[in-house]
This record gives sequence, structure tokens and C-alpha cells, in this order.
Amino acid sequence: EIVMTQSPATLSVSPGERVTLSCRASQSVSSGLAWYQQTPGQAPRLLIHGASTRATGIPARFSGSGSGTEFTLTISSLQSEDFAVYYCQQYSDWPRTTFGQGTKLEIK
Amino acid sequence: EVQLVESGGGVVRPGGSLRLSCAASGFTFDDYAMTWVRQAPGKGLEWVSGINWNGGATYYADSVKGRFTISRDSAKNSLYLQMSSLRAEDTALYHCARGPYARSPYWYFDLWGRGTLVTVSS
Repeated sequence: EIVMTQSPATLSVSPGERVTLSCRASQSVSSGLAWYQQTPGQAPRLLIHGASTRATGIPARFSGSGSGTEFTLTISSLQSEDFAVYYCQQYSDWPRTTFGQGTKLEIK
Repeated sequence: EVQLVESGGGVVRPGGSLRLSCAASGFTFDDYAMTWVRQAPGKGLEWVSGINWNGGATYYADSVKGRFTISRDSAKNSLYLQMSSLRAEDTALYHCARGPYARSPYWYFDLWGRGTLVTVSS
């Protein structure tokens, strides 16, 4: 099983700041990496697939990068609605797809 | 509106069974693979099971293999998860999610439901 490790577990930031979240795979997943956002009580929302392709309707302030084992999700200027939990998922090793444990963005 | 709505959750005793449903609307259900992903209380996401666009292939996490069965009904635009031999560790919010279009091999999930809660407790 490919283990996905996200860091940090929690990040305290202020609105308007730029933030970078990290996701590391225990072995190469090429570009088979997606990012999701989940706010309390809501369904997860797909942000990024293919490591760097924004999903339909996702604002340009969200960007993804990386390949192989190291990936990042960057939010260029945090808005109030961006405070949420973010998960990465590798789907390169389907059907043994796995998620990271999540990074919680909280307001400083 | 494009949406997925789950139902069928509840409280069940260890060893019991439950059938979850997911109603799809606003898109051509037959064109997409579908999947179930669960989330234990206060925890992260865990993939459970998937089914391809025509029901010809099914996939399971090792943790549920042999106990859960995924299926779909195109006439009802619905996805199902039959769960048996339930354990305390199956307690979670179960989300259905839309997978790849037709024969695409890329199993990321671009549409999710809000979930139905399954509690396994004596």
C-alpha cells in the first residue's frame, strides 16, 4: 500500500496569506494525485487532479504542483471560505487508492 | 442540479447487515464509475469500494472484501452498498462519489454526496 503523508497536520494562518500544503507518497505515483477540500458538515470537493489540473469551477488561487513522491497545494491568498481540511489522494495504484490523513487550515 | 444523495444509514449491532443507497441526478449515471468512501468520526477519508461505468468490474478495500458488495441500477440511477458482518470499526459516515468517465483509468472523485452515518454498536 502506498502511504500518503501530509504536513503539517494543522496550519494556523491569516486571511490574505499565501499557504503551501505538502503531501508525500511512500513510492512514486507519477502525476496520479488529487487534492480535496472538506469544510465541516459538507461533502469533500475536488480541487486538483493530475497533480496540477484545477477541477471545474475551482478558483485560480488554488494551484497544485509536483510529481513522483512530492506534491504541494498552494493557496495564493486565503479567503475566509478556504479554512477547511485538505486531503491528498493517490490514484496511480488503483484500486489500492489511498488518502493522506489531512491538513487542517485554521484561522490565526 | 448535479448531485448525489445517500440514504440507508443507521444503528446496527455487530455482525448485522445494512444496505446503503445513493441516488444520482443531473448527469448521465451510466457514463460514470462510482465509488464509496467512508470517514470514521473525527478521522480522514478511507476508500471502501468502486464499480466501473457498466457494472462489469468491482473493487474493494481489503478491510471490507468478502463482507461488502457494491452494485448499481441504471434504471434507478442508483448506487448501492450491501454491508454484512459489520464490525465496530465500520462505524463511519459513508459518502458516495463519482469516479472516472467511461473507460478513463483515472480514479479521482469529482462529485461527492454528504454521506449517511452507519453506527455499529451493541
